[in-house]
Amino acid sequence: AQRVTQPEKLLSVFKGAPVELKCNYSYSGSPELFWYVQYSRQRLQLLLRHISRESIKGFTADLNKGETSFHLKKPFAQEEDSAMYYCALTDTGRRALTFGSGTRLQVQP
Amino acid sequence: DAGVIQSPRHEVTEMGQEVTLRCKPISGHDYLFWYRQTMMRGLELLIYFNNNVPIDDSGMPEDRFSAKMPNASFSTLKIQPSEPRDSAVYFCASSFLGTGNTGELFFGEGSRLTVL
Repeated sequence: AQRVTQPEKLLSVFKGAPVELKCNYSYSGSPELFWYVQYSRQRLQLLLRHISRESIKGFTADLNKGETSFHLKKPFAQEEDSAMYYCALTDTGRRALTFGSGTRLQVQP
Repeated sequence: DAGVIQSPRHEVTEMGQEVTLRCKPISGHDYLFWYRQTMMRGLELLIYFNNNVPIDDSGMPEDRFSAKMPNASFSTLKIQPSEPRDSAVYFCASSFLGTGNTGELFFGEGSRLTVL
C-alpha cells in the first residue's frame, strides 16, 4: 500500500530563514509526487510536481528514490508562504492522490 | 469557469440525521474525487469516479456512507445516519486525463460538517 508521511505538524520559521518541509513515502512502483498548498481562506491547490522539475514561488522539491523522500525547500521564507502544505503521491495507473497529514508552515516577521 | 462547486459550505446537524453533500465538477473533467479532512488524519480519499463510474470506494468508512454520480456534472455524498465522528471538512475535486496532463486535482472549497 502507498503511504505518505509528513513528520512535522507545525514548522515555524522567521522571515528570510531557509525552509524544508519533509515528506517520505512508501511505494513499490514508480510514483508521481506532488506538493499541494492551502493558503488561508483559499482552496487546496497544486504547488509543484516532481516530473516538472520546476521552481514555483521559490520552492523546489527533489525526488530521492534511494531515501524515498520528496522534501520541499525554499532558501528564504516569506510571510506569504504561511499555509498548510500537503505532500501527495499517485501512480500512473491510478488517478487518485494519497496525501500526507500535512504540515502547517508559519513564517514569522 | 467557477471551478469545482460544493454545497452546502457549512452544515450543522444532529446525530442520526441524514446529510447530503453536493458537488459540481469542472466541465470537461472526467474524474471526480471525494476526500475527508480531519485534524487527526489529514486528507483521506473516500471514493473516486471516472466517467461517472465508481472506481475505488475502499476509503468509504462504512455502510452509512454512500456516493453517487448520476451524470458528468453532479455528484452526491450521503451519510445516513450521521454520527459525531463524521464531523470533518469534505472536499470534492475533479481532474481530467489528457495529453500533457499529469492528473492535477482541482478542489472545491469544501463542506464543513458538524454533527452534534
